[in-house]
Amino acid sequence: DAKTTQPTSMDCAEGRAANLPCNHSTISGNEYVYWYRQIHSQGPQYIIHGLKNNETNEMASLIITEDRKSSTLILPHATLRDTAVYYCIVRVGHVAGSARQLTFGSGTQLTVLP
Amino acid sequence: EAQVTQNPRYLITVTGKKLTVTCSQNMNHEYMSWYRQDPGLGLRQIYYSMNVEVTDKGDVPEGYKVSRKEKRNFPLILESPSPNQTSLYFCASRTGGAGGELFFGEGSRLTVL
Repeated sequence: DAKTTQPTSMDCAEGRAANLPCNHSTISGNEYVYWYRQIHSQGPQYIIHGLKNNETNEMASLIITEDRKSSTLILPHATLRDTAVYYCIVRVGHVAGSARQLTFGSGTQLTVLP
Repeated sequence: EAQVTQNPRYLITVTGKKLTVTCSQNMNHEYMSWYRQDPGLGLRQIYYSMNVEVTDKGDVPEGYKVSRKEKRNFPLILESPSPNQTSLYFCASRTGGAGGELFFGEGSRLTVL
């Protein structure tokens, strides 16, 4: 599975969009990009995932570059409750390949400031 | 409510005293997994199970055992705990399909003295 690189930390003003980048330059054609977040020491929470196309759900948007070597998670209107560590993960989508999950890595600590 | 439940949430024990951390999910998920989280190391997978009676090692299986006798339960067993197993543990589950998201429990903080 491809390795990801994320900034260690970012700040964002409350009410503004938070844009969290992730580099995955060695991603393979059958690997998906997943985003999770972890608030304090709670269990990680799924946010969104995608393969090639941009995706949007009630929590966030995921923008994947055309060459798929990087992506950006967008929280359109960040709130104080969005302060968390955000993990970008790439993993194979088919059943056999997805059995072993990637190490989550250190992620990005997003701090939303009032 | 769909959830993954772990017990105990907090435990302090001593070296060598066997313990079990239970994990139960109510979503009929085929896949379950255990992780440990340590400062600066992210989440590392200990064991996973694709279905009942099917388990396999993750990245850091040493010192741990698991069993999957029922679909909903996936206990983590520390036969002889050591201080280096002091950590925050998470159980997770998902459907057996390729794109399923992981649902995590709230975590179990274990301290081995």
